Amino acid sequence: AGLTQPPSVSKDLGQTATLACAGNSDNVGAEGAAWLQQRQGHPPKLLFYRNNNRPSGISDRLSASRSGNTASLTITGLQPEDEADYYCSAWDYGLSAWVFGGGTKLTVL
Amino acid sequence: VQLVESGGGVVQPGRSLRLSCEASGFIFSSHELHWLRQAPGKGLEWVAVITNDGSKKYYAESVKGRFTISRDNSKNTVYLQMNGLGVEDTAVYYCAKDFDDWGQGILVTVSS
Repeated sequence: AGLTQPPSVSKDLGQTATLACAGNSDNVGAEGAAWLQQRQGHPPKLLFYRNNNRPSGISDRLSASRSGNTASLTITGLQPEDEADYYCSAWDYGLSAWVFGGGTKLTVL
Repeated sequence: VQLVESGGGVVQPGRSLRLSCEASGFIFSSHELHWLRQAPGKGLEWVAVITNDGSKKYYAESVKGRFTISRDNSKNTVYLQMNGLGVEDTAVYYCAKDFDDWGQGILVTVSS
């Protein structure tokens, strides 16, 4: 079983979007979730490691957090370039496999 | 860091294909390497991972027993041997280092 993400989120320019990723105690609850962004026609780009640390070059308008078995990605001051698909991923100790969410399409209005 | 996939193309159902991913710009033997895929219009699906020394390999249930991941640290290359391909394996296949660096992807189309 994979992680659960809402298929779509729409927000106005300049607003804040919070994307959720629900898992269980074998995956998100164990070591958190990584977050990736994929713009149309491009390979994915890592936004956050599972420990909520940001790779170099990732905007500080983005933040990641976890509460129990649910991880969240928050993007403040939404810009047109934030429009993309966002995926969460975690190692699942029960499956001994990486699991992904189905992705959330973020639309900036 | 650069990751370049090769070996994709069109293949008939039931046949085999081997993908390669040649890496540069980092210490290859120090990192896990993944294969992931994305079917047309669909989300990302993790396929397999191999540890830095090749001693451990893990697979998605959907490919277990059909796909084999391997690496040659002397050639800075990771491979994905895909046997018994089905139409459901049609996708863009990506290799990735620790999820923080990705190749551009290569298309595999399984069709009669």
